[in-house]
Amino acid sequence: GALVYQYPRRTICKSGTSMRMECQAVGFQATSVAWYRQSPQKTFELIALSTVNSAIKYEQNFTQEKFPISHPNLSFSSMTVLNAYLEDRGLYLCGARSNNQAPLFGEGTRLSVL
Amino acid sequence: GEQVEQLPSILRVQERSSASINCTYENSASNYFPWYKQEPGENPKLIIDIRSNMERKQIQGLIVLLDKKAKRFSLHITDTQPADSAMYFCAAGITGNTRKLIFGLGTTLQVQP
Repeated sequence: GALVYQYPRRTICKSGTSMRMECQAVGFQATSVAWYRQSPQKTFELIALSTVNSAIKYEQNFTQEKFPISHPNLSFSSMTVLNAYLEDRGLYLCGARSNNQAPLFGEGTRLSVL
Repeated sequence: GEQVEQLPSILRVQERSSASINCTYENSASNYFPWYKQEPGENPKLIIDIRSNMERKQIQGLIVLLDKKAKRFSLHITDTQPADSAMYFCAAGITGNTRKLIFGLGTTLQVQP
């Protein structure tokens, strides 16, 4: 079956440091990957939408300088949170989709910032 | 606009009764409406979806209705069980890889025995 793996599941970083998270699509071709952040208040914020062979589109309030994303092939995407601070904490979800299907979400990477 | 409004934010029902969650959307071009269930500590999981060429879809005890004129769609859970307790998110979007899904703020469903 189709699955999305995210790594790591949980991470803690010191304020001002950076951390990288990965998203792996298994069993299907992830032609687009959307990165979301689910805040402690449970709302979904779309960070960026990445489509293979197209430019990555960042949402307002999110920038490539802060959340650089790599989507080199149809099975893998990664995102880095640079200079993480308290407001960056939350559950980062990768939603990978193939053509017109609904995105499948990974288990998420839960980021805590000290 | 692209907002998706979801109500109620909290829903408490008795076991075996029905639960209904309503969402409205702003973008009239939206043609795809999935629903996700998220249990504590878990990732959101797709439970049912509907496309704009349908008005009603049912999968077992889950029913989704779509009113395109009113830009409104809803999830109805019949014969609720305690295992249905979770957060539910609606989303609206346009099919196609370059299109994003906009999520509602979620509904916490509590099914009381």
